[in-house]
This record gives sequence, structure tokens and C-alpha cells, in this order.
Amino acid sequence: GDSVTQTEGQVALSEEDFLTIHCNYSASGYPALFWYVQYPGEGPQFLFRASRDKEKGSSRGFEATYDKGTTSFHLRKASVQESDSAVYYCALGDFNMGYKLTFGTGTSLLVDP
Amino acid sequence: SVLLYQKPNRDICQSGTSLKIQCVADSQVVSMFWYQQFQEQSLMLMATANEGSEATYESGFTKDKFPISRPNLTFSTLTVNNARPGDSSIYFCSSSSLQDTQYFGPGTRLLVL
Repeated sequence: GDSVTQTEGQVALSEEDFLTIHCNYSASGYPALFWYVQYPGEGPQFLFRASRDKEKGSSRGFEATYDKGTTSFHLRKASVQESDSAVYYCALGDFNMGYKLTFGTGTSLLVDP
Repeated sequence: SVLLYQKPNRDICQSGTSLKIQCVADSQVVSMFWYQQFQEQSLMLMATANEGSEATYESGFTKDKFPISRPNLTFSTLTVNNARPGDSSIYFCSSSSLQDTQYFGPGTRLLVL
């Protein structure tokens, strides 16, 4: 079945550091890829998506590029802020399977001021 | 985007009882989804609910334990039957917009004693 792998369970950075969170996927079809962010006590918030190879999604200074060759959708931000501290989830959507989402295990980002 | 509301925000119940979680969308949506999230873990899709048809359950989730109703295009209810401490988690509903992106409700935190 489809799966999403996030290799970093936790990331600790200082403000203005560069962020990379790795996301690799496995899918039989041609899925859409998503990044969600979850703050404590809240539901996941949609950040952005990409639906085709080489498409870049971006929002709030975060970005990721769909790479079908390496089956990756790594999240990057040039300069993190303390307010970016949250859990980030990579997800894939197989819309041939009825719009279901498969989530990665999540990466907890802590940014020190 | 779609705004989703859940009721109750949190609940505490005794083992063996049943409880209902309601999800309301601010606009008509085709599909609604229910997810389970244990403390500091990722989201697990429980079921997909489309209006006028039986919900489709993922592996590990059954209709008898988690019956779901979808009476119209803005509403869904998840019931937890015969609740056990192992059911203590956060339950989220979500729905997909025309652009296939899923938006999540704020979650219902359930504690089963």
C-alpha cells in the first residue's frame, strides 16, 4: 500500500536557521503530495500541495518540490521563527482511491528564540 | 477552503459506554473523513463517509465499533461504542474541497476511564 516516510522525528533549531524536513513516499499511482502543520491542541492545517512532477508548492515561507524520480517532497524554509514550532506532517493523497490521505509519522520542530 | 466544527471539544466517559462526536461543515462537501490520533502520534484514517451511502472503513476499524452516519452534505456523526481506555485519543473529522485538499476540524479529545 501507499506509505510516507519522514526520517526526522524531532528537529531543534535556532531562529533564522535553515530548515529541511525530509519526506519520501511510496505509491503505486501518481499521488498528490501535501504538507500539513499541527499546533498543540489544534487540528492539522493545510500548508500546501503539489500534484505533478517538478511542481513546487509553497506557503508562509515554506516550500517543497515534487520529485517523482527520487519520490520525495522535502520541506524547506530559509529562515525559521519561534512561531514555526509545531509538528509537520507530509501526506499523500491517492485520488484514485477516493481522496484518502496517508500521513507520515510527523516531525516535531522546536525553534529557540 | 472548508471550515469544520466538532462537538464536543472533549469528553470523559466510563468504559463500556457509548458516545457521539458531531462534525459540521460550513458548506456542502462530498466526502467526510474521520481520523484517530493517539498522543504524540500521527493521524490514522478510520473511515470515509459519503452522503447517502454506508461509510467505508479502513483496516482495524469496524462499523460495529465506530458507526458513522452521514445524513446530508454538511453533517456527520462518529459514535464510539463500548468505549475502552484504548480508545482514548483525539478524533478529527475532515472534508475535501473541490480542489481535493482536505481540511480538518479542531478535534475531539476523548478520555475513557
